[in-house]
Amino acid sequence: RKEVEQDPGPFNVPEGATVAFNCTYSNSASQSFFWYRQDCRKEPKLLMSVYSSGNEDGRFTAQLNRASQYISLLIRDSKLSDSATYLCVVNVVITGGGNKLTFGTGTQLKVEL
Amino acid sequence: EPEVTQTPSHQVTQMGQEVILRCVPISNHLYFYWYRQILGQKVEFLVSFYNNEISEKSEIFDDQFSVERPDGSNFTLKIRSTKLEDSAMYFCASRPGQGFATFGSGTRLTVV
Repeated sequence: RKEVEQDPGPFNVPEGATVAFNCTYSNSASQSFFWYRQDCRKEPKLLMSVYSSGNEDGRFTAQLNRASQYISLLIRDSKLSDSATYLCVVNVVITGGGNKLTFGTGTQLKVEL
Repeated sequence: EPEVTQTPSHQVTQMGQEVILRCVPISNHLYFYWYRQILGQKVEFLVSFYNNEISEKSEIFDDQFSVERPDGSNFTLKIRSTKLEDSAMYFCASRPGQGFATFGSGTRLTVV
């Protein structure tokens, strides 16, 4: 099983639609979780951290289910500018104090007129 | 807003040559990373660095690769003898004790 797994898409949605992305992770020792956004040929940029209680930032809502090792991202009222690749990122603390961020393959979103 | 700086933005090198990719992480961050992304593929972990030593490395990070933090501000990735398949975007990132990692804008390495 892959460490972090996402549906690669692409998801083609009309402007204004609601779209949901899912992510599963294999390491039950994973401690923190993030959604990053990556535009073509650019660096990943943090979209939001994901907390156990779920969290919302404007049109974006993230959920975490530790028991199922599952993370989700919901985008409401999607805009053309939301078109990008959305990366699920999981952090595991390593013995000795370091940590490792593992990326999913990313889910490509295309919002169309 | 603090940022991670990477130089050069684009490096072209001949196969077999050594390259050094440079990064200036955000000051006071504790964890440092190198990732690579081959065009059209996923972001792949190379190495993490903490407390002045490598804390984790992937199987990609073989003997051809090394990292250094020589002066408390720079964080470098050296590839000793480049191969065609090393062509990729290389991202540096840093992270404070808690919270998210910030990525640099990357160095595009082209091996010819």
